[in-house]
Amino acid sequence: GENVEQHPSTLSVQEGDSAVIKCTYSDSASNYFPWYKQELGKRPQLIIDIRSNVGEKKDQRIAVTLNKTAKHFSLHITETQPEDSAVYFCAAISGTYKYIFGTGTRLKVLA
Amino acid sequence: DADVTQTPRNRITKTGKRIMLECSQTKGHDRMYWYRQDPGLGLRLIYYSFDVKDINKGEISDGYSVSRQAQAKFSLSLESAIPNQTALYFCATRFGGEAFFGQGTRLTVV
Repeated sequence: GENVEQHPSTLSVQEGDSAVIKCTYSDSASNYFPWYKQELGKRPQLIIDIRSNVGEKKDQRIAVTLNKTAKHFSLHITETQPEDSAVYFCAAISGTYKYIFGTGTRLKVLA
Repeated sequence: DADVTQTPRNRITKTGKRIMLECSQTKGHDRMYWYRQDPGLGLRLIYYSFDVKDINKGEISDGYSVSRQAQAKFSLSLESAIPNQTALYFCATRFGGEAFFGQGTRLTVV
């Protein structure tokens, strides 16, 4: 069945540095790749997404890149700030109904 | 954001008891999902539903059942709770690509 692998599971960076989280998916029919941020004690919320017909998308300090040939996509956060500390989830959407998430990355931004 | 509401928010129950977690939404979305979150395992799909007549098993449906009573309501039941079902449970709706999550229900089975 569909599978989404996410790495690393934890990531610590110094404030101001960049952070990169990578995901790999198995279903070649996947065509939508969202990223969610979950702050401590809160629900996951969408922060950025990319569709399969686009290779890169940027929104201020965050960007997502997609390599369909290799079946992987990445989240890039530049100039990290303490409020970026959270758990980040990727997802790969294939078919109409299923919504499969990666295992999550706990990002800590050290002041 | 109270568009997707879960009750209860916290629950402690005993092994062997039947328990129901409820989810209601005011977004008018057809697609609803139940996930369980465990440390290091991410969000795993338990069940999903397209409408009241369409219920589908996810990755980890064993030991769970669901009921889609109306477009706005999707309940998750644990038939006979066991300790390894202790987790944070999220209900979500979906419109287009984006998923909208409830606040979560923290369930502890003792």
